[in-house]
Amino acid sequence: ETGVTQTPRHLVMGMTNKKSLKCEQHLGHNAMYWYKQSAKKPLELMFVYSLEERVENNSVPSRFSPECPNSSHLFLHLHTLQPEDSALYLCASSQDHGSTDTQYFGPGTRLTVL
Amino acid sequence: QKEVEQNSGPLSVPEGAIASLNCTYSDRGSQSFFWYRQYSGKSPELIMFIYSNGDKEDGRFTAQLNKASQYVSLLIRDSQPSDSATYLCAVGHQAGTALIFGKGTTLSVSS
Repeated sequence: ETGVTQTPRHLVMGMTNKKSLKCEQHLGHNAMYWYKQSAKKPLELMFVYSLEERVENNSVPSRFSPECPNSSHLFLHLHTLQPEDSALYLCASSQDHGSTDTQYFGPGTRLTVL
Repeated sequence: QKEVEQNSGPLSVPEGAIASLNCTYSDRGSQSFFWYRQYSGKSPELIMFIYSNGDKEDGRFTAQLNKASQYVSLLIRDSQPSDSATYLCAVGHQAGTALIFGKGTTLSVSS
């Protein structure tokens, strides 16, 4: 596999469920990101990891919990979500966590919360 | 609050015309500027980036940056129906901070 992969591609869950999104990058990058993309809104940055350390957390509700076990993998653990959390969740990676580093996106997970 | 503004569109152009997509940003300290293309239901893919004032050309695409006016644009020459997508402008401020994305402009190229 090349680039950035995400699983699952589609997820439907109830508000009481616990699920996890997985992201894997095969680019040898040091930084990884979670974004939320809702209709008619800009991409919202959720979390940033650089060399496996969380460096940004943009006021995301605690029902979203990220985990970065190594520089190639990033998880987003979901618990007790709300219907308004339904969105496309995108993972991205870049060589380093710098403003000039191009971010490469995975295909996204389309999440629907019932 | 750092902001990146784009007209949401849709911007409609006939095939073969030049499409001009615009983006303004609020932070004068911004250093890097990216254009991404996102097809419906797909993830964003990088088209090009620009760091210095002036024009940067790559095939049918030209990015233009004017830091004094806090303005960056993307020109698409000889537009094709396959260029129909949403174009996202992203701006980087300084090392160690993440990019800020605009809402995107939807482009529709009619054959």
